[in-house]
Amino acid sequence: DSGVTQTPKHLITATGQRVTLRCSPRSGDLSVYWYQQSLDQGLQFLIQYYNGEERAKGNILERFSAQQFPDLHSELNLSSLELGDSALYFCASSAQGQGTTGELFFGEGSRLTVL
Amino acid sequence: TQLLEQSPQFLSIQEGENLTVYCNSSSVFSSLQWYRQEPGEGPVLLVTVVTGGEVKKLKRLTFQFGDARKDSSLHITAAQPGDTGLYLCAGAPTGGFKTIFGAGTRLFVKA
Repeated sequence: DSGVTQTPKHLITATGQRVTLRCSPRSGDLSVYWYQQSLDQGLQFLIQYYNGEERAKGNILERFSAQQFPDLHSELNLSSLELGDSALYFCASSAQGQGTTGELFFGEGSRLTVL
Repeated sequence: TQLLEQSPQFLSIQEGENLTVYCNSSSVFSSLQWYRQEPGEGPVLLVTVVTGGEVKKLKRLTFQFGDARKDSSLHITAAQPGDTGLYLCAGAPTGGFKTIFGAGTRLFVKA
């Protein structure tokens, strides 16, 4: 158990819909990362938050948005869903502070299927 | 570009064989991590290498960080079916914040 919790574990929805994925980081971790992993693909970095503020942005579509709340949990919002958005979405957290080496601890992922 | 390239992409071997997978970049990394991912699960951290030239051992797994901190390797001795999985290297280039991942090496160890 990594200590990172993601919900829901599975989600099936239709094209054009909107979904929200939720992540609770490990206790004490200030950084939250979101990654997308399509079938047999590597992890594509979407976005990172540190203590409530956006720290780094990757290949995140304009239809996607995220935020980190004061209690440090994060949400990834996916809208106007397309078939190609079907993927595993992982959240990871890290301490990301002075003296840390940036190790990430991953949740079990949210599997999104768009029909 | 700040990419991590892993090779080989796919490896299928017999139980008991040795293997090495590589992670290369043109960028310098302050540290590199190796993760192992099983189907349907999140990656699990195996090790972090920090110092150029560093070698770390984890049972039958040996990790090495290149002297210039641009590359790393993972060597598995006497592979077992339980080693089957996707091995990913990752790191944040020096001065950067986002952690990037290589595409991974998918290892299959046959009994």
